[in-house]
Amino acid sequence: DVKVTQSSRYLVKRTGEKVFLECVQDMDHENMFWYRQDPGLGLRLIYFSYDVKMKEKGDIPEGYSVSREKKERFSLILESASTNQTSMYLCASRPLRNGANYGYTFGSGTRLTVV
Amino acid sequence: AQSVAQPEDQVNVAEGNPLTVKCTYSVSGNPYLFWYVQYPNRGLQFLLKYITGDNLVKGSYGFEAEFNKSQTSFHLKKPSALVSDSALYFCAVRDTYSGAGSYQLTFGKGTKLSVIP
Repeated sequence: DVKVTQSSRYLVKRTGEKVFLECVQDMDHENMFWYRQDPGLGLRLIYFSYDVKMKEKGDIPEGYSVSREKKERFSLILESASTNQTSMYLCASRPLRNGANYGYTFGSGTRLTVV
Repeated sequence: AQSVAQPEDQVNVAEGNPLTVKCTYSVSGNPYLFWYVQYPNRGLQFLLKYITGDNLVKGSYGFEAEFNKSQTSFHLKKPSALVSDSALYFCAVRDTYSGAGSYQLTFGKGTKLSVIP
C-alpha cells in the first residue's frame, strides 16, 4: 500500500514563527499536493508539485511556500505564521502515469494551531 | 475551471435505511469524478471513481455512485446504512491539466453523514 506520512499530527506555533510541515511518500509518485481543510470551505489547494523542483500555485498560495528537493518529500512552509493559518493541512500524492486509480492518496493530516 | 457542489452540509439517516449523498458537477469536456470519505482526525480515503463506462459505479465499503449526465450529478449511495458509515464525504472532479500531463482535483465542501442507531 502507498503510504503518505505527515510528520506531525498536531502542532502549536506562535504568531510570526516560520513553520515547516513535512510530507513523505514511499511509492515514487511524481505529483504531490498540499491542501488546507476548514469547516464549511472543504479542501482548498495551496500548492502542488508535479515533479522534483517543480511547483505550481494552487488556489490559496498567499502566505505559503513549498520545497520539493527530493521526489519523496514535499514541504509546506509558512514564512510567518498567522492566526488565520490555523487549520488542518492535508498532503496527497499520485503517480503521473495513468493507472487503475486516477485519484490521490492522502496523509493523515496535520492540525496546526497558531496562537 | 471545473467545479463540484454538495448541496447538503449534513445528512441524517437511520441505520439500515438507504442513504444518498448528493453531488453535482460543472465541467467542460468529459467529467472524471471521485468520492472520498474522511473519518474523524484522519486523512481522506478513496471510495470510488467514474472515468467512463457504466453509469453505476461500485466502490469500497458497499458504496456505489450513479453518474447522470443529463442532470450533471454523481450521487453517492448505499442500500443499507451502518453507524460506522458516519463520516465526512467529499465529491471531487479532476481539474485541468498542468505541467507534464498532471492534474489536480477540485473538491466539494463536504457532507457530514450521521447514521443514527
